[in-house]
Amino acid sequence: NAGVTQTPKFQVLKTGQSMTLQCAQDMNHNSMYWYRQDPGMGLRLIYYSASEGTTDKGEVPNGYNVSRLNKREFSLRLESAAPSQTSVYFCASLTGADTQYFGPGTRLTVL
Amino acid sequence: SQQGEEDPQALSIQEGENATMNCSYKTSINNLQWYRQNSGRGLVHLILIRSNEREKHSGRLRVTLDTSKKSSSLLITASRAADTASYFCAPVRNDYKLSFGAGTTVTVRA
Repeated sequence: NAGVTQTPKFQVLKTGQSMTLQCAQDMNHNSMYWYRQDPGMGLRLIYYSASEGTTDKGEVPNGYNVSRLNKREFSLRLESAAPSQTSVYFCASLTGADTQYFGPGTRLTVL
Repeated sequence: SQQGEEDPQALSIQEGENATMNCSYKTSINNLQWYRQNSGRGLVHLILIRSNEREKHSGRLRVTLDTSKKSSSLLITASRAADTASYFCAPVRNDYKLSFGAGTTVTVRA
C-alpha cells in the first residue's frame, strides 16, 4: 500500500495562475481532507469529503475548490493563486480507527 | 474553533530525559488525538484517547485526559534523538474534523 500520495511535491506559481493539487489513497477510506500549514502554525482544514460525492467547507475554504473524483481521489484547485496561498498543503484520509493518515505534503509558493 | 492549544511552544531536553507537553481545548469532545510531525513531513498519528478514558499508554508514550478541565498531557519517557519533532494535539468532536494548534517543538539533545 502506498497510503496517501500527493502530487506535485513542489510547485511555484505566479499570482493569478491556476493549478490542481492531486491526492489519492489506496486504503479504501471513505473520508478525505485537505489542510494547509503555514510556518510555525498548526494545520487548518480547507475542505473535507465525508464520502464519495460529498464535499464540505472547513475553516479556510476561500480561494479553493475541491473535487472528490471517486473514492480514491480528492483534488484541490486554486483558480487564481494569490501570495497568501503560499503554504504546505496536506491531504489526509480517515482510518477505521478514527485517526487520520496524512500524505507527505505539497509545498506551494505563489510569487 | 475546537483547536487544541499546546503548551509549551518549545521544549529542549537531554537524551534519556522525559518530555511532557500539555493541551487545552474548549468544547466537549468524542476523543483527543496526538500527532507527531518531523521537519518537512506529514503528520503521523501517535495515540488516541477517548472521552471516557483517563489514561492511555503506547510504548514510551503516556497520554492523560481530564475532560472536566478540558486538558490532556503527553509524556514521552526516556527520550531519544529520533523524538525530535513537533507534537500536535487534536480534539475531535463527533464530526471527525481535526483542528490543530501551533504544536510543541521538542528538541532532544545528544
